[in-house]
Amino acid sequence: DVKVTQSSRYLVKRTGEKVFLECVQDMDHENMFWYRQDPGLGLRLIYFSYDVKMKEKGDIPEGYSVSREKKERFSLILESASTNQTSMYLCASGLRGYSGNTIYFGEGSWLTVV
Amino acid sequence: RKEVEQDPGPFNVPEGATVAFNCTYSNSASQSFFWYRQDCRKEPKLLMSVYSSGNEDGRFTAQLNRASQYISLLIRDSKLSDSATYLCVGLFSGGYNKLIFGAGTRLAVHP
Repeated sequence: DVKVTQSSRYLVKRTGEKVFLECVQDMDHENMFWYRQDPGLGLRLIYFSYDVKMKEKGDIPEGYSVSREKKERFSLILESASTNQTSMYLCASGLRGYSGNTIYFGEGSWLTVV
Repeated sequence: RKEVEQDPGPFNVPEGATVAFNCTYSNSASQSFFWYRQDCRKEPKLLMSVYSSGNEDGRFTAQLNRASQYISLLIRDSKLSDSATYLCVGLFSGGYNKLIFGAGTRLAVHP
């Protein structure tokens, strides 16, 4: 089975802190994604990466950055956390040419910024 | 206007009922569609793909109407375990494939 692991499930951070969310996949997928999910808004794409060291902005990249130094790992970075970044963050991965039935999600990271 | 729109619900139905969810999309260049299921505080998981010819999987039937830009999900003989949020998802291609998620429709099945 494909495994996408988000190392931190529940975090509480203070405003202004730097936050790292880590995601690791074990299926050698080229594509990796970071979404955030908020009530009434659905999943929104923050950033994605289609290869090592490559990244593309999604729909809401402001306030976030990403890092992909190894194929299996995709990190989301909040340089200076703010309360409006309190959300559930979902990582996903997929093969090149993925479709909606060939991407796989991690269990999610619940971030609260106080 | 959102690219993929769903009625948020909640739909409260008794066990055994038939329930239908609708989803509309605004981008006619969409390639394909999917229904995902998401349990409370869990990640979304693929329920089924949606084809113009219809797609049935046990008690679940999905349908795509490209002319009306409309997707549906029908659940027959609802079970308590069907209680979840159902996400309509479209795949749109531009420079890269992009999945657009609806906000979800919540279903609560009661005894």
